[in-house]
Amino acid sequence: AQSVTQLDSQVPVFEEAPVELRCNYSSSVSVYLFWYVQYPNQGLQLLLKYLSGSTLVKGINGFEAEFNKSQTSFHLRKPSVHISDTAEYFCAVTFPNAGNMLTFGGGTRLMVKP
Amino acid sequence: DTEVTQTPKHLVMGMTNKKSLKCEQHMGHRAMYWYKQKAKKPPELMFVYSYEKLSINESVPSRFSPECPNSSLLNLHLHALQPEDSALYLCASARSPDEQYFGPGTRLTVT
Repeated sequence: AQSVTQLDSQVPVFEEAPVELRCNYSSSVSVYLFWYVQYPNQGLQLLLKYLSGSTLVKGINGFEAEFNKSQTSFHLRKPSVHISDTAEYFCAVTFPNAGNMLTFGGGTRLMVKP
Repeated sequence: DTEVTQTPKHLVMGMTNKKSLKCEQHMGHRAMYWYKQKAKKPPELMFVYSYEKLSINESVPSRFSPECPNSSLLNLHLHALQPEDSALYLCASARSPDEQYFGPGTRLTVT
C-alpha cells in the first residue's frame, strides 16, 4: 500500500530565510506527486505537481520541489519565505489510473516569524 | 472558470436536524469528491463520484448521504449527526490524471 510521510509536523523559520519541507512516500510503482497549501479556514490550493518529465518542478508563489525516485522523496523548497507563507502544507500521492485517489501526508505547519 | 464553490460557508445544526451541503464546478470534471477534515489533520476521503455514479464510499456512516444530480453538482445530505462529526467538509473535482481542485469548504458544527 502507498503511504506518505511528512517528517516535520511544524517548521518555524524567520522571514526571508530559506525553507525545506520534507516528504517521503512508499510505493512499489510509479506515482504522481503533489504539494497543496491550506491557509487558515480555507480549502486546499495546489502549489505544484510532478506527473513525469523533469524532476525539478516549479510551482506558484516561488516554491519548487524535486522528485528523487531513488530516495522516494519529493521535498518542497523556497529560497526566501514571507510572513504570508505561514500555512499548513500537505504532500500527496496518487497512482496513475487510480481514479485520482489521493493519499495525504500528515501535514507540516510552516510558521514564518518576523 | 477553475473554481469549485461550496455552500454554505458555515453551518450549525442540532443532532436531530436535516441539512445539506452543496458543491458546484463548471470545469467539465467528471470526478467529484467529498472529504472530511478535522483540525490539524489531513483531509479524509468520504465519497467519490465518477461520471455521476458513486464509485467509492470509504465506509462512511449512513447519516451522511451523497447525491450527484448532474455532472456539475454534488450534494451531501446530513441527518442525525453526532458532535464528533463537526469538521471542515471539503469538496473537490478532477479530470484524470490531473490534480484535484478543492473548494473552500463548509465549516460544520453539530450541537
